[in-house]
Order: sequence, then C-alpha cells, then structure tokens
Amino acid sequence: EIVLTQSPGTLSLSPGERATLSCRASQSVSSSYLAWYQQKPGQAPRLLFYGASSRATGIPDRFSGSGSGTDFTLTISRLEPEDFAVYYCQQYGGSPRTFGQGTKVEIK
Amino acid sequence: EVQLVESGGGLVKPGGSLRLSCAASGFTFSSHSMNWVRQAPGKGLEWVSSISSSSSYIYYADSVKGRFTISRDNAKNSLYLQMNSLRAEDTAVYYCARDRSPVRVYDAFDVWGQGTMVTVSS
Repeated sequence: EIVLTQSPGTLSLSPGERATLSCRASQSVSSSYLAWYQQKPGQAPRLLFYGASSRATGIPDRFSGSGSGTDFTLTISRLEPEDFAVYYCQQYGGSPRTFGQGTKVEIK
Repeated sequence: EVQLVESGGGLVKPGGSLRLSCAASGFTFSSHSMNWVRQAPGKGLEWVSSISSSSSYIYYADSVKGRFTISRDNAKNSLYLQMNSLRAEDTAVYYCARDRSPVRVYDAFDVWGQGTMVTVSS
C-alpha cells in the first residue's frame, strides 16, 4: 500500500499570499497517477488535478499541480477567500487508492 | 447535469447491517467504474471500495473486507454498498464517487455525491 504524507498539516496565510502544499509518497506513484482534491466544510470533495498536473474542469489557473515519482506539489499562486479549505492528495496508480491526511489552509 | 445522490444512511447498532444506494444521472453510468469513499467525523478521506463498469473487478479496503459488499445495477443507474457486521469505527459520511475516465481501470474521482451519514452506536 502506498502511504501519502501531506505537509504541512495546517497552513495559515492571508488572502493574496502564495500557498505551497506538499504530498510525499512512500513509493513511486506510477505514471504520476496523483490527484488533488479540495474540500470545504459540509461539502463533498472537488477534484482539482489528475495526472499530477492536469487541471480538472472549471479549476482556476491560480491553482497548479506538479511533481513526479514520490514528490508532488499543489500551488495556489494568490489565495482568494474561497480557497481556504482542506486539500487532499490521492494516488490512483493501483489498489488501494490511498489519500493523504490532508492540509488545512486557514486564514491568518 | 451530472449527479450522484446517496441514500440509505442512518443509525444502526453494532453488529447490524445497512444498505447504501447511489443514484446516478446525467452520464452513461455503465461506462464508468464507481467507488465508495468515507469520512469519519472530523477526519480525512478513506477509500472503501471500487467496482468496474461491468462489475468484473471489485476491490475493498482491508478495513471492510469480508463485511461490506459493493454492487451495481447498470440498468437502474445505481450503485450499492451492503454493510454487515457494522462497528463503531464505521461511523462516517459515505460518498459515492465516479472514476473520471470511462477507459482507464483506475482514475481520479471527478464526480461526488453529497454523502450519507452512517452512525453505528448502541
């Protein structure tokens, strides 16, 4: 089973600042089958990226995904008020399709 | 509109059973693999089970193997999760989610339902 470790656990930033979230895998994620999700309180998760860097439908370009192998990054170039949420990475290169524990981006 | 709507959650005693349903609409349900993902109160996401488009491939998390059964009825555009021998640690919001690509065996989850709450307590 591939274990995903996200850091930091919480990121305290102000609107307009840049957010950098990390996701590290315990072994290489095949073909960059790595996804990122955003979840707001009381809502279902929303797909942001698949294939590590392919933006899902309707995701603003202030969001970017990068990485390969065992190290992946989600970057939000300038935080908007609606971006404060919890972000999860997930690998789907095989079963089980594991999630990271999440990074909470909160308003400073 | 592409939509998934879960139902069937509720309060059940330890050792009891519950069957969750997920009704799909707005897309060709029979083309996509489907999944159940759960989230315990205040916790992160946990993948529970997956089923391929034709039910040929089925996978379970170790935490539910032997107790939960995933199934689907493509004629009814519906996904199911039969949960037996429920434990307190199964308490969670259960989401159904669609695999993004109708072609790949594994993919990211691009459509999610709103979730249904399952509480296991005496």
